[in-house]
Amino acid sequence: AQSVAQPEDQVNVAEGNPLTVKCTYSVSGNPYLFWYVQYPNRGLQFLLKYITGDNLVKGSYGFEAEFNKSQTSFHLKKPSALVSDSALYFCAVFSGGYNKLIFGAGTRLAVHP
Amino acid sequence: DGGITQSPKYLFRKEGQNVTLSCEQNLNHDAMYWYRQDPGQGLRLIYYSQIVNDFQKGDIAEGYSVSREKKESFPLTVTSAQKNPTAFYLCASSINPSGPYNEQFFGPGTRLTVL
Repeated sequence: AQSVAQPEDQVNVAEGNPLTVKCTYSVSGNPYLFWYVQYPNRGLQFLLKYITGDNLVKGSYGFEAEFNKSQTSFHLKKPSALVSDSALYFCAVFSGGYNKLIFGAGTRLAVHP
Repeated sequence: DGGITQSPKYLFRKEGQNVTLSCEQNLNHDAMYWYRQDPGQGLRLIYYSQIVNDFQKGDIAEGYSVSREKKESFPLTVTSAQKNPTAFYLCASSINPSGPYNEQFFGPGTRLTVL
């Protein structure tokens, strides 16, 4: 079965420190992976995606994600966190067999001043 | 949120009523989607449409209905058969429904509360 896991409900980090939001996936065939961010009472905004090629993907607002095939992971990273990065982050995988995106449960990122 | 509008932003429904949530996009996207978001559960797919006059059930279609008469519009009706409709509803669209290369763009959402 296709699935996405975000093992942490919440991640806390101090402003200026690096941040990592974890995501692992299970999918048959090639994985197509996405990260989205959601601010309170808003829709989701696309951050970045991995389709093929370089394992390090750069996206919006200084975020990047590293695809690791052997560990079936696609962790979201940022070298220096901002308070304004505080939001809910979703990892998703495209399931070709089902022709739809499968979302993880989300990780709440809290960046403290 | 640009390019996809949802209305109303907040909606209150009495038990036994049907209500319709609006979703419009001006991105010329072929595919449109409806998701339901509950705290701690991420997004769950209700219905999706790859082309005008065609749509498919998602994971939690019971108690919901949709139509796709125009490319830019994909309204969702929450019927009285939906036992727990209080949730945040998100509409999305994408260029190519079959291609994994194209991300989905989301509207701002409608928060539905049953009184």
